[in-house]
Amino acid sequence: EAGVAQSPRYKIIEKRQSVAFWCNPISGHATLYWYQQILGQGPKLLIQFQNNGVVDDSQLPKDRFSAERLKGVDSTLKIQPAKLEDSAVYLCASSRGGGGGFEQFFGPGTRLTVL
Amino acid sequence: AQRVTQPEKLLSVFKGAPVELKCNYSYSGSPELFWYVQYSRQRLQLLLRHISRESIKGFTADLNKGETSFHLKKPFAQEEDSAMYYCALSRTGTASKLTFGTGTRLQVTL
Repeated sequence: EAGVAQSPRYKIIEKRQSVAFWCNPISGHATLYWYQQILGQGPKLLIQFQNNGVVDDSQLPKDRFSAERLKGVDSTLKIQPAKLEDSAVYLCASSRGGGGGFEQFFGPGTRLTVL
Repeated sequence: AQRVTQPEKLLSVFKGAPVELKCNYSYSGSPELFWYVQYSRQRLQLLLRHISRESIKGFTADLNKGETSFHLKKPFAQEEDSAMYYCALSRTGTASKLTFGTGTRLQVTL
């Protein structure tokens, strides 16, 4: 089966600009996750979708970050406006279900640099 | 709150030597523990989970609830084991999320 797809792979923007990332999960996977991985740290969950509903967005900085998963398939993560501290790799993952028993499959990530 | 601690940023061992990557966690309930691995230029992928109790690529990990640890072990390191290893914790339930440690880079040298 095809893996999780993400685009773009790299993005460089200046602070206060906007940016959007796209994710296409594995076909049939109901649960989609966005993680932020800052250099030297482990991935941190930003938001979890079950189909097109939000299950957990407790660590999403909602004043500048937004995400949607229309139709329960693809997802977009947006940052507006970006800050220097948003420089990180943004990982998308998907799984068949939302519990810990389901393996999460990760995409290649989008490396964001904010200047 | 869930927390995962990996005390070593870098672990360097010789080929054929035993490997132990440390992971400690804090969680008040009954956790599920995982090890994820990221090889150079590859995606983050699941290596093993404690509920499976299986050995993957020669690696094993035992959940020790008394010491709140989930150390990853391999008796004889191979060059291809060189990678970044992340320990992760999830609580049971449909809304569970993975909490990752900061990772340990394993470097296997000749």
